[in-house]
Amino acid sequence: QVQLQESGPGLVKPSETLSLTCTVSGGSLSPFYWSWVRQPPGKGLEWIGYIHYTGETNFNPSLKSRVTMSLDTSRNTFSMNLSSVTAADTAMYFCARERAFDSWGQGTRVTVAS
Amino acid sequence: QSVLTQPPSASGAPGQRVTIPCAGASSNLGGNYVYWYQQLPGRAPKLLIYQNNQRPSGVPDRFSGSKSGTSASLAVSGLRSEDEADYYCAAWDDSVRGPVFGGGTKLTVL
Repeated sequence: QVQLQESGPGLVKPSETLSLTCTVSGGSLSPFYWSWVRQPPGKGLEWIGYIHYTGETNFNPSLKSRVTMSLDTSRNTFSMNLSSVTAADTAMYFCARERAFDSWGQGTRVTVAS
Repeated sequence: QSVLTQPPSASGAPGQRVTIPCAGASSNLGGNYVYWYQQLPGRAPKLLIYQNNQRPSGVPDRFSGSKSGTSASLAVSGLRSEDEADYYCAAWDDSVRGPVFGGGTKLTVL
């Protein structure tokens, strides 16, 4: 059974770049899509974007100008960068498999504050 | 404002059947599958229903999904206390060119 685990800093300063990594165990990155979803405190889910094992990416139009994603097949990880963060980017960030989100990480809480 | 529309809350007594609706548009539910996720308090979401009405292995058959036109619904029968959770619908949106979510429905077992 595939397992996903997010990692990254819990606190990021405004205007800086948020970087998160998801480690995949129990399975390969191939041939799947790998997604990021976030959830602001007390609010609903928001799709951030996905990366295919081939490197193809697709991002939420509302975040597209600030998001990049990459993957490292040697480490079985994929990563996300979100630039120019503000308090509105404070959320729980989840990584998930596929565009249908059939497996999820437990999430990592990120706070944007000075 | 979520692209898919769900009521913020739903409730039912133990053993009862509850239905959670999800309303969309031609660009999402009208031409694409609906997915449902269950998020227990303090936990990550979990895939509950995929491709409109399919259950992943391990999901009880008390949970069922349906879709008609630009609307979908999740039914939970034989309500149990452990079903108290937030439920989200999602679908691919051709305009967004990505998945979109409903705002979530908090299910309370009375």
